[in-house]
Amino acid sequence: RKEVEQDPGPFNVPEGATVAFNCTYSNSASQSFFWYRQDCRKEPKLLMSVYSSGNEDGRFTAQLNRASQYISLLIRDSKLSDSATYLCVAEDSSYKLIFGSGTRLLVRP
Amino acid sequence: EAGVTQFPSHSVIEKGQTVTLRCDPISGHDNLYWYRRVMGKEIKFLLHFVKESKQDESGMPNNRFLAERTGGTYSTLKVQPAELEDSGVYFCASSQDGTSGSGGSQYFGPGTRLTVL
Repeated sequence: RKEVEQDPGPFNVPEGATVAFNCTYSNSASQSFFWYRQDCRKEPKLLMSVYSSGNEDGRFTAQLNRASQYISLLIRDSKLSDSATYLCVAEDSSYKLIFGSGTRLLVRP
Repeated sequence: EAGVTQFPSHSVIEKGQTVTLRCDPISGHDNLYWYRRVMGKEIKFLLHFVKESKQDESGMPNNRFLAERTGGTYSTLKVQPAELEDSGVYFCASSQDGTSGSGGSQYFGPGTRLTVL
């Protein structure tokens, strides 16, 4: 079983749509969580950290549920530029990053 | 401020040859990480340096891989001899802080795409 599991997608949505990604993690000792964005043939870049209280950054909202070991990312009012792969990432007890395999998002005109 | 740089951007070698990848972290970042993504798989951790010391090398696949960070600045990752399954994209990341929650402050380089034929 993978430590961080994501639906690979692709999610194909029209501009302006709201889309939600989910992720589960298996290591209950993981302390910190992140969503990274990776464009085709580029490096991963931090999108946002994820907290139990939930956090919002513009059109993006992330949420962590420690009891169910579940992480979510909500994107509102999708833009064409949001097309990318979204990586769910957990930080383990040694502070190294554990990546999910990514969820691909395609936003169409 | 210059970001993390990696060299080369691409490398194509034959099985059995040796390849050395280089990473230059952001200036002042004591923590340097190597990750790898093989085709169809998720990005996986290889090892973590704090300055010139190996903090965690639990992700190194086998003894064909050797990482160094002499002087605590740039790092090299040598694969010798290369095998077909070593093909993938090798990312380097650096951060100033290597403690809990610092995953959000790891900046990634553009990666080296390695193809072993």
